[in-house]
Amino acid sequence: KAGVTQTPRYLIKTRGQQVTLSCSPISGHRSVSWYQQTPGQGLQFLFEYFSETQRNKGNFPGRFSGRQFSNSRSEMNVSTLELGDSALYLCASSSGLYTDTQYFGPGTRLTVL
Amino acid sequence: AQTVTQSQPEMSVQEAETVTLSCTYDTSESDYYLFWYKQPPSRQMILVIRQEAYKQQNATENRFSVNFQKAAKSFSLKISDSQLGDAAMYFCAYRKRAAGNKLTFGGGTRVLVKP
Repeated sequence: KAGVTQTPRYLIKTRGQQVTLSCSPISGHRSVSWYQQTPGQGLQFLFEYFSETQRNKGNFPGRFSGRQFSNSRSEMNVSTLELGDSALYLCASSSGLYTDTQYFGPGTRLTVL
Repeated sequence: AQTVTQSQPEMSVQEAETVTLSCTYDTSESDYYLFWYKQPPSRQMILVIRQEAYKQQNATENRFSVNFQKAAKSFSLKISDSQLGDAAMYFCAYRKRAAGNKLTFGGGTRVLVKP
């Protein structure tokens, strides 16, 4: 099976712009979670989607949003980008909502100038 | 809120030797999972080992084993016969069973392997 894929792998934006990141889970997986990784804050949970519904949300401002499509692919959107949004954004998929193993994608490196 | 603490920012080990990484966590839950993930320079997170809290037996995966002390809320990872490919950041993570797939991560420990 193909692993979790994320596109694009690298992205450069300027402050005030918005950005959309995409995640395709492992075939058959229905849960997708997003994490932000920064040197200062470490790895932080953003949100989780299962069957097109947001099931869990981390402590991030409303500028961060996401959605999941019927084929389980997920997108996350960040509006009005700030310098502090520069990070590695990781997506993880799992087969169900309460399964014990998540598989991570390679991440999208976002740089905000 | 659950917290996960890794007190060792960096550990160095000689090739073929053993290194132990520490992790402590704070939770009021009794049913949860604990994980160790490896993040090599490629940045892709790879699951190393997982432990279910209700299982007293410590998990083992080849050269990787854990020492799970539930009462002490401690979950250490032992890497035996260290190899150059083990060099990476290692993250301890916690997941409450009833909380979907949300992982709470520790700050990470960088493992350096000396040839």
